[in-house]
Amino acid sequence: DVVLTQTPPTLSATIGQSVSISCRSSQSLLHSNGNTYLNWLLQRPGQPPQLLIYLVSRLESGVPNRFSGSGSGTDFTLKISGVEAEDLGVYYCVQSTHAPWTFGGGTKLELK
Amino acid sequence: EVKLVESGGGLVQPGRSLKLSCAASGFSFNDYWMGWVRQAPGKGLEWIGEINQDSSTINYTPSLKDKFTISRDNAQNTLYLQMSKLGSEDTAIYYCARDGGYSGAFDYWGQGVMVTVSS
Repeated sequence: DVVLTQTPPTLSATIGQSVSISCRSSQSLLHSNGNTYLNWLLQRPGQPPQLLIYLVSRLESGVPNRFSGSGSGTDFTLKISGVEAEDLGVYYCVQSTHAPWTFGGGTKLELK
Repeated sequence: EVKLVESGGGLVQPGRSLKLSCAASGFSFNDYWMGWVRQAPGKGLEWIGEINQDSSTINYTPSLKDKFTISRDNAQNTLYLQMSKLGSEDTAIYYCARDGGYSGAFDYWGQGVMVTVSS
């Protein structure tokens, strides 16, 4: 199975600060069809996960544009440009290029 | 509005079986792959598997393939997860989710249903 390693496991930020989360894969996530199926989810406390970004960098409908994704191959990054209070929770990267789908261990974003 | 509502959870004894349901509404259910994800208390997310539109393809995470069965009823707009030989390690919140298709992502999630395996 593909292993996704997220860093850091915990992130403390102030409101307005910009932060980044890294997700590294044990193998390339480039599919034979040319797409890279690396997505980012946010799980707020007591809530189900919600999709933020798909195909590495595409913003899901309704997600604020302070969220952005980048990367290729095995290294990916989620950036939040100006953290807001509603952004607090646990962020997960997830790959669906290779079966079975696998999730990163999560990064908890807290207020400093 | 897309809605996914899980049901059928609760307390179950070790070794027993349980069947979860996920009622879908607000979209054309039979046009989408659907899947299940679980989350043990205080832990991360684990993909269980997913099923295609006409149930001809069902993929599972290997460790759960012999215990869990995913099915669907397109006439009832309902997704199912049959779980057998349950153990304490299966205690978790179980989420159903819609696979958005070309995105390769679960774009809508249910609120989840808790399953507790204990004697």
